[in-house]
This record gives sequence, C-alpha cells and structure tokens, in this order.
Amino acid sequence: GAGVSQSPSNKVTEKGKDVELRCDPISGHTALYWYRQSLGQGLEFLIYFQGNSAPDKSGLPSDRFSAERTGGSVSTLTIQRTQQEDSAVYLCASTLGGDIGTQYFGPGTRLLVL
Amino acid sequence: RKEVEQDPGPFNVPEGATVAFNCTYSNSASQSFFWYRQDCRKEPKLLMSVYSSGNEDGRFTAQLNRASQYISLLIRDSKLSDSATYLCVVNLYNQGGKLIFGQGTELSVKP
Repeated sequence: GAGVSQSPSNKVTEKGKDVELRCDPISGHTALYWYRQSLGQGLEFLIYFQGNSAPDKSGLPSDRFSAERTGGSVSTLTIQRTQQEDSAVYLCASTLGGDIGTQYFGPGTRLLVL
Repeated sequence: RKEVEQDPGPFNVPEGATVAFNCTYSNSASQSFFWYRQDCRKEPKLLMSVYSSGNEDGRFTAQLNRASQYISLLIRDSKLSDSATYLCVVNLYNQGGKLIFGQGTELSVKP
C-alpha cells in the first residue's frame, strides 16, 4: 500500500520568503508528526497531531513555524519569513493509533534557504 | 545536556564482526525505547523496540537498564547491508506519541 508521501521533495527559496510543505499520511493513521533534521544532526521533534486533540506544538522553534492538519489527514507545515538556519530536511511521520513506536516516515522535503 | 546521547561514530568494522552501540537518556520519566535505522539520505525506519527484559531479533539484541538510564544495541555477524546510522529513540511518560531521537551512531561494515 501507499506510504507517507511528502511534497515537494526539494525546495530552494530565498531568505524572507514563506514556504509550505505538505504531508500525506498513510490512510487510516490517526497520528501525524513533523520533524526536522539538519546536516549531521538527529531528528528534532516539531509538532504532533493525534486525532481531534489539540496538537502538541512544543517543538516548534519559533512563531514563524506553524502547521495544520485538515480533515484528520493531510498536513501542511508553513515556515514564514524563512531564515538560512531553517535549511534542513523536514520529515513527516504517521502512526496507527496508540502504536507510537512504529512511526512510518515519508521521504522528507529538503529545504534550502539562500 | 542532550536528552538522548549516542556516540556518533563512525564505527568501521569488518564483515562478520560483532558491534555494540550505547545510548544514554537523561529523563527518568522515559517509558518506551526504540532503535531506528536510517540509511544515507533516506528516512528512518523502526528496527526494533526495546523491552525491559531485553529482546532479540535475529542478529540484533537490544538491552535496557532503567537504573542506569542506558540502552544498547548489539549486532552480531555484521553484514555489508547493516551499514547505516542507528538512532536511539525514547518516549516520555505522559507525552503521547512525541519521540526524542538521539543524533545517531554511524556504522560502516567493510568487506
């Protein structure tokens, strides 16, 4: 079956521009996560959606970052006024219900801010 | 101090070798533990969960020491295909599905 998909796969933008990154989770997965991975670094948690509950936004690094999940499925991560330090791979993952350990990751969006 | 710490490596080993990775976590409220594998320029994938009594999956053995807040992964009879970065991952009690990843340990298995 289809896995987690993300778009675009690569994005190059200029400093100060806004970007939107999209994630399509596995159908039926109720939880969706966004992470960021900078070069040579581990994954940094950003935000987590579980069903209809309020999202856990504790990992968002600044108010320039926001995310929404429409209809309990597709999610969009928006970065406003991008900075060079925002350059990273943005990874989305989804899980089925309470099986938190088995997170299925998408291929990521590689963002480069010039 | 990082919440999850790993030796970044790289570990360079010959085929057939046994290699062990260690990981420490700082928050005693950590309740669930996992090892993920990430191939170069690919997404992470779950390798195995880590249970209190220790668990084995083929050539892979995971151990947990809650008292020392320490997790290990042992790989026996290394294969070339084991070359990857191994990520130690913890989940904190009462924080839902939020996972905290270590920076990973790079393994390179040579012929």
